Amino acid sequence: DAEITQSPRHKITETGRQVTLACHQTWNHNNMFWYRQDLGHGLRLIHYSYGVQDTNKGEVSDGYSVSRSNTEDLPLTLESAASSQTSVYFCASSPDRVSPLHFGNGTRLTVT
Amino acid sequence: QKEVEQDPGPLSVPEGAIVSLNCTYSNSAFQYFMWYRQYSRKGPELLMYTYSSGNKEDGRFTAQVDKSSKYISLFIRDSQPSDSATYLCAIDAGGTSYGKLTFGQGTILTVHP
Repeated sequence: DAEITQSPRHKITETGRQVTLACHQTWNHNNMFWYRQDLGHGLRLIHYSYGVQDTNKGEVSDGYSVSRSNTEDLPLTLESAASSQTSVYFCASSPDRVSPLHFGNGTRLTVT
Repeated sequence: QKEVEQDPGPLSVPEGAIVSLNCTYSNSAFQYFMWYRQYSRKGPELLMYTYSSGNKEDGRFTAQVDKSSKYISLFIRDSQPSDSATYLCAIDAGGTSYGKLTFGQGTILTVHP
């Protein structure tokens, strides 16, 4: 079955380290998104991509970057991890710009 | 004022009850309306998706949108313990803002046997 997979499921890292979270979808969807979920803030958009080589900043993009070199993957990189980036990160995808987003099961990141 | 306000709950109901979950929004540009269910330690799972005023039914779930009042609802009939989860409303303006979902804060629902 087609699906969206995030890895790792859990990650602990230290302040200042670079971290990359993986997102892989097998639906051949054009659009991919990264959200973070925090108590008191709900889900907020970090970065998104409408296709290969396209990337855009979301509401809370500072300290994060993405690249889209193929349809299946949108890795999220934290350039220098900060404690404020401790969160649960969700990747989502959709086939076109009128369909709803489908989410992965998340990566729980702790920055110590 | 937040763009999307969701009744925070938590809600606790007996099995078989009808559950009503609600959100209000302030931006008339919002066009697409979604309800997601999220179990603990899982990602949001799409339940309902609509883009017009009125009702949309899928099994025990009915989504209702009133664009004139900027109000959306999700009704769950014959609630089951397996419905115990956090329910999130999400709204999308579409167009050049497609995918930039604005979420409600979520309502925690517990259905007890």
